[in-house]
Amino acid sequence: GAVVSQHPSWVICKSGTSVKIECRSLDFQATTMFWYRQFPKQSLMLMATSNEGSKATYEQGVEKDKFLINHASLTLSTLTVTSAHPEDSSFYICSPVATDTGELFFGEGSRLTVL
Amino acid sequence: RKEVEQDPGPFNVPEGATVAFNCTYSNSASQSFFWYRQDCRKEPKLLMSVYSSGNEDGRFTAQLNRASQYISLLIRDSKLSDSATYLCVVNRGGSYIPTFGRGTSLIVHP
Repeated sequence: GAVVSQHPSWVICKSGTSVKIECRSLDFQATTMFWYRQFPKQSLMLMATSNEGSKATYEQGVEKDKFLINHASLTLSTLTVTSAHPEDSSFYICSPVATDTGELFFGEGSRLTVL
Repeated sequence: RKEVEQDPGPFNVPEGATVAFNCTYSNSASQSFFWYRQDCRKEPKLLMSVYSSGNEDGRFTAQLNRASQYISLLIRDSKLSDSATYLCVVNRGGSYIPTFGRGTSLIVHP
């Protein structure tokens, strides 16, 4: 079946540093990618929707200059958390939508801890 | 009112029990509905889509009530391996953007 590769799975960084999370669809193309964030015991909260080759659409309350999304190809999207702070510690999950079927897939998630 | 609401539980049931979860959604224009399963510290995995006429997949039955804007998931003959969080997902009305409920925790014990 289709596979999504998201990495790093775990990252611990110091406050003020930037962290890049990559999400690759390995055997399908994804024109659209959702990025979610999940805090403990909370639901997945949509951060932004990106479409290949265009700027991402951010949800209300999500700072676009802090969470940089690049979706330069149909198989790769990245999320960069810039100048990370402890409150950014969370579980980040990418969700590519298969272009041909519209099916939704999920990466395995990246657990970010900011010290 | 939240877009998608679920009782967080936990539901603590013995093996073999039947358990049902409900989920309500606020946008009457929503057209697509799903149940996902999420294990601790893992990504969600699709359990089943929910169709207007209701649908069944083995021990799992999903129902949709558009008039009351809720969907349900029934699990029969619970197994230990069913222990997880069950997420209700509703596409935002008029779009394909999925909105997740906070999930209902199920614990199946021996």
